[in-house]
Amino acid sequence: QVQLVQSGAEVKKPGASVKVSCKASGYTFTDYYIHWVRQAPGQGLEWMGWINPNSDGTNYAQKFQGRVTMTRDTSISTAYMELSRLRSDDTAVYYCARGGWVVIPATPVYHYWGQGTLATVSS
Amino acid sequence: QSALTQPASVSGSLGQSITITCTGATSDIGGYNSVSWFQQHPGKAPKLMIYEVSHRPSGVSNRFSGSKSGNTASLTISGLQAEDEADYYCSSYTSSSTVFGGGTKLTIL
Repeated sequence: QVQLVQSGAEVKKPGASVKVSCKASGYTFTDYYIHWVRQAPGQGLEWMGWINPNSDGTNYAQKFQGRVTMTRDTSISTAYMELSRLRSDDTAVYYCARGGWVVIPATPVYHYWGQGTLATVSS
Repeated sequence: QSALTQPASVSGSLGQSITITCTGATSDIGGYNSVSWFQQHPGKAPKLMIYEVSHRPSGVSNRFSGSKSGNTASLTISGLQAEDEADYYCSSYTSSSTVFGGGTKLTIL
C-alpha cells in the first residue's frame, strides 16, 4: 500500500532553516510528483510547490521562491522540503502529498498524504 | 496567485443536501478541468474526495459529487451524515501550479 511517512516535529528560531523529509513506499517513487502543502494553525491549506522525482525538476509557488528548496534522493525514495529564513508566521504543519504521473501536468490529484510535520518558529 | 473563493461556513441537517461553491478565474477553474475537493477533519491530513471536477476516488461515498460551470466549481453532499462535519477545500490547477480555496466549515445541525 502507498505510504508517505514524514519526519518529526521541529522547533526553530527565527532566521533558521527547517528541512522536512517524506519517505515514500508502496509505489515507484520516480513515477509520481511530490507536492508540498502547509497549514498554519487554524488556517487553510497553502500550496508550496512540487518536485518531479524523475527529472529533479521543481516548481515553487511565487510566495516561497528564494526561500524554499525541494530535493529528492531516489536511492531511498525520499523527498525533502527545506524552508530558509524562517519567520514566526512560517509556524505550520507541513504536508507532502503524492501527485499525478510525472508524464502529465502536475495537477492537484493528491490521493495520498503524509501525516504532516509541525514546524514551530519561536525565539 | 489569488486563492479561490469559498464560503467560510455552511450547515445542513442530517439527511439533507448541501452545496459548497468555489469561485476562481479563467486562469484556473475556468481554464482547466482539474478541480479537486478535499475533506479535512480536525488534526488529520486532508482526504481527496473529488478530482478532475467530478471523479470520485475509490472508496469515497457516491453521496459526494462535483461539477463546474464557468469559473465556479461546486461540491454537493447529499444525505448528510454526522461524519461529514469537517472542513472542505477546493483546489485547481493553474499554469503548472496549484491554488487552494480558503476552506469551508460544514456543520451538521
